[in-house]
Amino acid sequence: AQSVTQPDIHITVSEGASLELRCNYSYGATPYLFWYVQSPGQGLQLLLKYFSGDTLVQGIKGFEAEFKRSQSSFNLRKPSVHWSDAAEYFCAVGANQAGTALIFGKGTTLSVSS
Amino acid sequence: NAGVTQTPKFQVLKTGQSMTLQCAQDMNHEYMSWYRQDPGMGLRLIHYSVGAGITDQGEVPNGYNVSRSTTEDFPLRLLSAAPSQTSVYFCASKADNYGYTFGSGTRLTVV
Repeated sequence: AQSVTQPDIHITVSEGASLELRCNYSYGATPYLFWYVQSPGQGLQLLLKYFSGDTLVQGIKGFEAEFKRSQSSFNLRKPSVHWSDAAEYFCAVGANQAGTALIFGKGTTLSVSS
Repeated sequence: NAGVTQTPKFQVLKTGQSMTLQCAQDMNHEYMSWYRQDPGMGLRLIHYSVGAGITDQGEVPNGYNVSRSTTEDFPLRLLSAAPSQTSVYFCASKADNYGYTFGSGTRLTVV
């Protein structure tokens, strides 16, 4: 069965420092992969997605992610974190070939210290 | 465009009551899904639909029913609410090769 693991429940990063959030997936075929962000009390916003092609994908708000098939990973990165990036981040994999059913990881909460 | 609209935003039910969570999208998306979000559990897929008249079960379908009579609407029905169904429910829709757009959620408490 498809699954997503986000190993870090909570991460604290200093403002201006770089960020990497880890995501590992289990899926038999070429996966559809996504990163979403959720601010407190809000819905989820799509940061970026990978379907095929270039393994380094750019998203909104200065985020990028790299798909590594050999490691079954899709880690999210940002070179310089802003206080407004504090939120919960979810990695998701498409659970079928059309990517119409998403399986989410349990999320990583990002805190930004000044 | 309103995007994905969920109603109500908040609801309190007594155990055994039934209710329908409404979800509507105005983007002509074929694909729609329902998720529940619980602390420390992430989002879990309840049911999803790939088009009008076509639905399928997700990870946690028990206790929930769905139907998709139109492209725009994808209601979620709780037939007999239980305290274990206390959660935040999100509806989402997508088009091909795009990620899902999420509604703002319905916070449901079953007492």
